[in-house]
Amino acid sequence: KQEVTQIPAALSVPEGENLVLNCSFTDSAIYNLQWFRQDPGKGLTSLLLIQSSQREQTSGRLNASLDKSSGRSTLYIAASQPGDSATYLCAVYLIKAAGNKLTFGGGTRVLVKP
Amino acid sequence: NAGVTQTPKFQVLKTGQSMTLQCAQDMNHEYMSWYRQDPGMGLRLIHYSVGAGITDQGEVPNGYNVSRSTTEDFPLRLLSAAPSQTSVYFCASSNSHNPGNTIYFGEGSWLTVV
Repeated sequence: KQEVTQIPAALSVPEGENLVLNCSFTDSAIYNLQWFRQDPGKGLTSLLLIQSSQREQTSGRLNASLDKSSGRSTLYIAASQPGDSATYLCAVYLIKAAGNKLTFGGGTRVLVKP
Repeated sequence: NAGVTQTPKFQVLKTGQSMTLQCAQDMNHEYMSWYRQDPGMGLRLIHYSVGAGITDQGEVPNGYNVSRSTTEDFPLRLLSAAPSQTSVYFCASSNSHNPGNTIYFGEGSWLTVV
């Protein structure tokens, strides 16, 4: 059974500092991995999607890396801003004979202090 | 540019009552799904659909029914509400049979069962 873990569960940084968010998964045979942002009282917004054949994806200040062999992905947010405060979740997608499955991590709650 | 629309946003039910959470998307997506999000449990898949007339069970389907009579709509029915169904419910859609593509979430429905 695929398990997805995000540590730490919460993180507080001063404005301007770079953020490093971690995601680990137990089954390395993933099809792809997505990072999402969730604001309080809102749904999830997809930030980056990395296919299993890719090593990283970038969008503006966001960069996500993927190391399938070690079962890890890292989301980097450069020069953090108070507006980056949110919960960040990763999700991995597996294709299996028993059925395809998207599994979410528990999320990391980020607070960027002005 | 509505995306995925869920109603109602908040609902309080008494144990044993039934209700329907509505979900509609205007992106012509084939894949739609319902998740529940609980503290410490992450997001768990309840039911999903790969197209009109086709539905299947996810990880936690008991106590819920779905139907997909049109591409746009995917309602979730609680048959006889229980306190254990107190949760935040999210509807999501994707543009192919592969939910590993970018997923679009609704803003959530907060349900309390007393």
